[in-house]
Amino acid sequence: AQTVTQSQPEMSVQEAETVTLSCTYDTSESDYYLFWYKQPPSRQMILVIRQEAYKQQNATENRFSVNFQKAAKSFSLKISDSQLGDAAMYFCAYRRRSGGSNYKLTFGKGTLLTVNP
Amino acid sequence: DTGVSQNPRHKITKRGQNVTFRCDPISEHNRLYWYRQTLGQGPEFLTYFQNEAQLEKSRLLSDRFSAERPKGSFSTLEIQRTEQGDSAMYLCASSPSTGYYGYTFGSGTRLTVV
Repeated sequence: AQTVTQSQPEMSVQEAETVTLSCTYDTSESDYYLFWYKQPPSRQMILVIRQEAYKQQNATENRFSVNFQKAAKSFSLKISDSQLGDAAMYFCAYRRRSGGSNYKLTFGKGTLLTVNP
Repeated sequence: DTGVSQNPRHKITKRGQNVTFRCDPISEHNRLYWYRQTLGQGPEFLTYFQNEAQLEKSRLLSDRFSAERPKGSFSTLEIQRTEQGDSAMYLCASSPSTGYYGYTFGSGTRLTVV
């Protein structure tokens, strides 16, 4: 079974600074997707960024970028120029690309990010 | 389209009562998912619908839980004879079946069993 581990229960960053959230995962699959979701206090999960495992290039979405290390099974999220609105719970998630139950997301426990003004 | 809508947002019920939650997915999405999120944990998969067919049900769902998606539109999740351990956030999400990688989540229904 796939597992996703987020080893940082809480992180804090100063406004305008950069922060990196860590995620490791365990899978025997070679083709899969990885995601970072943001869950603000209103509780609606929002997709921040995704990475296809077959792509070597790290995904980037504006101030959000990932460091995908497939061999190490590591998938960290870097937030640059942090803003107060980035404060939220961040979840790392995994989904296999094909085969049985390939629609199912497996989530980590989350990292609570605080942004200090 | 306003996204995935869940009702009610909050529900407090006494132990032993039945509760029902509703999810309205994005209209063009034929896949619908229910997840449960307890305090300090990430969401855990409960069940999945492709149109009106329930194709997978997690072992987390006891016989007290039932979900339906009549006509492949909205979905309901019913919990019978609620227990304190059922207290959680119940999240609904939807997606197309092709050409999409992630889900669109609703805001969830927070259930408190007292």
